[in-house]
Amino acid sequence: ELKVEQNPLFLSMQEGKNYTIYCNYSTTSDRLYWYRQDPGKSLESLFVLLSNGAVKQEGRLMASLDTKARLSTLHITAAVHDLSATYFCAVDPAGGTSYGKLTFGQGTILTVHP
Amino acid sequence: EAQVTQNPRYLITVTGKKLTVTCSQNMNHEYMSWYRQDPGLGLRQIYYSMNVEVTDKGDVPEGYKVSRKEKRNFPLILESPSPNQTSLYFCASSHLTSGIGGTGELFFGEGSRLTVL
Repeated sequence: ELKVEQNPLFLSMQEGKNYTIYCNYSTTSDRLYWYRQDPGKSLESLFVLLSNGAVKQEGRLMASLDTKARLSTLHITAAVHDLSATYFCAVDPAGGTSYGKLTFGQGTILTVHP
Repeated sequence: EAQVTQNPRYLITVTGKKLTVTCSQNMNHEYMSWYRQDPGLGLRQIYYSMNVEVTDKGDVPEGYKVSRKEKRNFPLILESPSPNQTSLYFCASSHLTSGIGGTGELFFGEGSRLTVL
């Protein structure tokens, strides 16, 4: 059974600081997704990582994937209040040209304060 | 506009009164899925469908039914709702293969907040 674990589950950051959220998973996969959710809202896709060594950046967020270590990171640079949200990683264990069922991590609740 | 549409967005009902939450997508996605989200438990998959007339149980299927008669629609049916089904429900869809430009990325609906009294 695929397990996806995020660390930390709760993160309180000061504006302007940097931090990293980690996503570890238990089975071979080269497909990993990051989502953002604001309170009471839907999940919004942030990054799609489809190969070992993939790195994507959008604004103050950067995501990377190391399939050998079964680890993805979401790095936050110079945090601002607008980044406060819950962040989920999700892993697809399927291979080849077909995609499968995503397994989600528990989510990391990020709060950015002045 | 590409979207996944759920209805109703909010619903308060009573124990035992059958209800259906509809889900429709306009992206010609093969894969559709229902999740429930509860505080401290994250997202849990209820049912999913790989294509028309192909459905399968997720992690928490008890008390729910689904059908996939058309590619765009994937309704979630609660035959006899109980208070433990009070939750925030999300429908999501995606392409299943890379051949048609898919990436496996899930697109989520806005959510349906259900309260069962």
